[in-house]
Amino acid sequence: DTEVTQTPKHLVMGMTNKKSLKCEQHMGHRAMYWYKQKAKKPPELMFVYSYEKLSINESVPSRFSPECPNSSLLNLHLHALQPEDSALYLCASSQTPTGYMTGELFFGEGSRLTVL
Amino acid sequence: AQSVTQPDIHITVSEGASLELRCNYSYGATPYLFWYVQSPGQGLQLLLKYFSGDTLVQGIKGFEAEFKRSQSSFNLRKPSVHWSDAAEYFCAVGASEYGNKLVFGAGTILRVKS
Repeated sequence: DTEVTQTPKHLVMGMTNKKSLKCEQHMGHRAMYWYKQKAKKPPELMFVYSYEKLSINESVPSRFSPECPNSSLLNLHLHALQPEDSALYLCASSQTPTGYMTGELFFGEGSRLTVL
Repeated sequence: AQSVTQPDIHITVSEGASLELRCNYSYGATPYLFWYVQSPGQGLQLLLKYFSGDTLVQGIKGFEAEFKRSQSSFNLRKPSVHWSDAAEYFCAVGASEYGNKLVFGAGTILRVKS
């Protein structure tokens, strides 16, 4: 069982669609992250939110737009994506804002995105 | 360039046999070292971590790893593999040399044959 919940688990969208991925944690963690994982590759950090503020954007294209409405929720808004954006998108959280460095991350099961 | 290397893309072991997954990194000082496991279609789960102190660390699910500074290695071991251990295993390193973020190795897929 994971304490980081991601929805939807699967998403298929066209290049002109607008969709969102959602992530929720109830562990009281103060940092949340989005990672992108292509098939047979390791995860790559996209965004870090620390105390509900965006602290790191790893030069992600603007067609990906993160949002942190509160300390428990993290969204990733998707617009005008390309087929090469198809991947598993993983949300993670950590008790401290340095979890992306110290590795004490709790991951969700991911949202598998297919862009047609 | 700083890097994390998992030289084995795939490993197949028999159930009940011992396991060692290799991880090497290039970094001058002692970084933070981690092993994660990812079952098919799942997120990553932290197995164990090393920050400092005893170089042999114990993790969950019966795994252990040993930090060897002289070899820049952090190999994962398990004395007796179970079929449920079949998954992909990622070594990860965190250090200022890596821009203060975790860098993952390419992963090793473990297959367990009965």
